[in-house]
Amino acid sequence: NAGVTQTPKFRILKIGQSMTLQCTQDMNHNYMYWYRQDPGMGLKLIYYSVGAGITDKGEVPNGYNVSRSTTEDFPLRLELAAPSQTSVYFCASSYRGSNTGELFFGEGSRLTVL
Amino acid sequence: AQTVTQSQPEMSVQEAETVTLSCTYDTSESDYYLFWYKQPPSRQMILVIRQEAYKQQNATENRFSVNFQKAAKSFSLKISDSQLGDAAMYFCAYTPGGSQGNLIFGKGTKLSVKP
Repeated sequence: NAGVTQTPKFRILKIGQSMTLQCTQDMNHNYMYWYRQDPGMGLKLIYYSVGAGITDKGEVPNGYNVSRSTTEDFPLRLELAAPSQTSVYFCASSYRGSNTGELFFGEGSRLTVL
Repeated sequence: AQTVTQSQPEMSVQEAETVTLSCTYDTSESDYYLFWYKQPPSRQMILVIRQEAYKQQNATENRFSVNFQKAAKSFSLKISDSQLGDAAMYFCAYTPGGSQGNLIFGKGTKLSVKP
């Protein structure tokens, strides 16, 4: 029972490099989310999707892009990495949206930009 | 702006004792939902308990219960009979009714459990 799977778990980038954080869920959930967690802070929403082909910005979308071509996958793209993007990134999914609170989270991806 | 405040960066409790974690929030909405999430050292966030604002009855899940004071905009978490496995970061979170993604988190409270 995999749930929400994120890859990679750790990555170090140089300033200006690009990369994609992968997120896959096998629960057939319509809703998917990307959050970032900075040290000593709560999670902040970057982007979310309510279904395949539909994405929307969250609280901190600058510097990121997402796509949702299938129900299962919701990759997060960093085009020009900056030190301010050093953070732990969490992907989450939900069957009925965040109102129910039943978000299922991945284990996180720790990204360092040097 | 909607905000969630957790005023206790760290708390400590003796095993088998009871501890209460505080959370206050600010909103002008009448329809919303409140949550407590647990983040153990493994980092994976786990939902502990959920409260609908329109329900007056406080939510309870086994050893976990909340004290929801809507007028005071307070939402505290009580952990009874604390266990070593309860040691984790605890995050209070809020979302307005009808939202599909806007879960707003507090900064968290680190709970230590002493044997």
